[in-house]
Amino acid sequence: GQSLEQPSEVTAVEGAIVQINCTYQTSGFYGLSWYQQHDGGAPTFLSYNGLDGLEETGRFSSFLSRSDSYGYLLLQELQMKDSASYFCAVNEANAGKSTFGDGTTLTVKP
Amino acid sequence: DVKVTQSSRYLVKRTGEKVFLECVQDMDHENMFWYRQDPGLGLRLIYFSYDVKMKEKGDIPEGYSVSREKKERFSLILESASTNQTSMYLCASSKGQAYGYTFGSGTRLTVV
Repeated sequence: GQSLEQPSEVTAVEGAIVQINCTYQTSGFYGLSWYQQHDGGAPTFLSYNGLDGLEETGRFSSFLSRSDSYGYLLLQELQMKDSASYFCAVNEANAGKSTFGDGTTLTVKP
Repeated sequence: DVKVTQSSRYLVKRTGEKVFLECVQDMDHENMFWYRQDPGLGLRLIYFSYDVKMKEKGDIPEGYSVSREKKERFSLILESASTNQTSMYLCASSKGQAYGYTFGSGTRLTVV
C-alpha cells in the first residue's frame, strides 16, 4: 500500500516563501506530483518530479529525494490567490495511478 | 485548451437508484480515473482504466462499477445509490506515469 504524510496546515504572509513537505512510503514508486485545489474547485496539476533534484516552474518549485522518500513544494513571493490546499501524490508504475496525501491547507495573510 | 468534462456539476438522487456519472476527455489519453473526495479523507481512487474496455479496481471499488467503451469516455456507475456515497466525484485523465492528471470540474452527488 501507499502512505503519504504532509502537514495539515501552513500559514504565511504575502511575499514570503513557504515550503510544504511530503514524505512517502510506497511500492511501485514512479514519481511525485503536486496539485493545487481552491475551495469548491477541482485539483490542478502543478509539477512532477521523476528524478532527484529541483524542478522550477515560475514561482513554484518542487524537489524530490528518492533515497529519502521525501519531496517538497516551494512557493515563492506568496500572493493571496495562493491560499488553497496543496496535495502531494505518488505516481505509480501501474497505469500512472496516483495515491494522494491528505493535503496541506495554505493560508496567505496580508 | 485540453479538457476533461463531467456531465453534471450537481446531482441529487434517491437511495436505491442506479446512477451514471459520465466523463469525457479530448486529449487522447490512455489512462482515466475516478476518485471521490470527502472532508478529512482526501482523494480516494475508486476505479481506473488504462485502455478501452480495460479497468482495474482502486482502493474503494465496493458499490461502484465502470465502463470504458470508447477511449475518450469513462463512466462511473453506482449500482444502487446509498447515502454513504454522497460525495464529490472527480474524473481525471493522464498520458502516463510521468505526467500529472487533468481533472474534470467534479460532480457533487447527494443521495437522499
